[in-house]
Amino acid sequence: EIVLTQSPATLSLSPGERATLSCRASQTISNYLAWYQQKPGQAPRLLIYATSNRATGIPGRFSGSGSGTDFTLTISSLEPEDFAVYYCQQRTSWPSGRTFGQGTKVEIK
Amino acid sequence: QVQLVESGGGVVQPGRSLRLSCVASGFIFSSYDMHWVRQAPGKGLEWVAVISNDGSNKYYSDSVKGRFTISRDNSKNTLHLQMNNLRAEDTAVYFCAKDDPGWEVLSDWGQGTLVTVSS
Repeated sequence: EIVLTQSPATLSLSPGERATLSCRASQTISNYLAWYQQKPGQAPRLLIYATSNRATGIPGRFSGSGSGTDFTLTISSLEPEDFAVYYCQQRTSWPSGRTFGQGTKVEIK
Repeated sequence: QVQLVESGGGVVQPGRSLRLSCVASGFIFSSYDMHWVRQAPGKGLEWVAVISNDGSNKYYSDSVKGRFTISRDNSKNTLHLQMNNLRAEDTAVYFCAKDDPGWEVLSDWGQGTLVTVSS
């Protein structure tokens, strides 16, 4: 069973700063790693798919990278609306399941 | 545009049952696998179950296997989750989500429905 571990649990930053979020897999995974953003009281929203592709409507300040077991979501310059919880996601060992990391909260410093 | 609307949540006693529904619109429902994902209060996302586009294949997380059943009615563009023998730890917001088969992601989500298991 693949386990995704996100770090840090909380990231305290100011608007305009760069945010770097990590997602580490317990074993080598495919590049079908995704990132979601969730704001309080809302459903998650897909940000990044296949490691580095932005979903429709996602601003260019969001970027993804990585391979193997280590993946990164970078927000180049935080906007007020970016303060939220971010989750990484991969499929499970069997084809149709999905697994999520535990989340990183990006909060205003 | 894609719209997913869940319903059926509420307060239920431990050991009882509840059936959730998710009505889909804005896409060809019968062409996509569909998922249920839940989120306990203040916690992260937990994947629950998936059903193939034609309903022939179903997979569950270990935490719900044997108690929950996912199903769909393509004639009514509706996804269901039958939850039996509910436990306190099943308390969560339950989201339905549309699969993107090419990229193994959940491309669209409903707003969620809250299930509270309490005596």
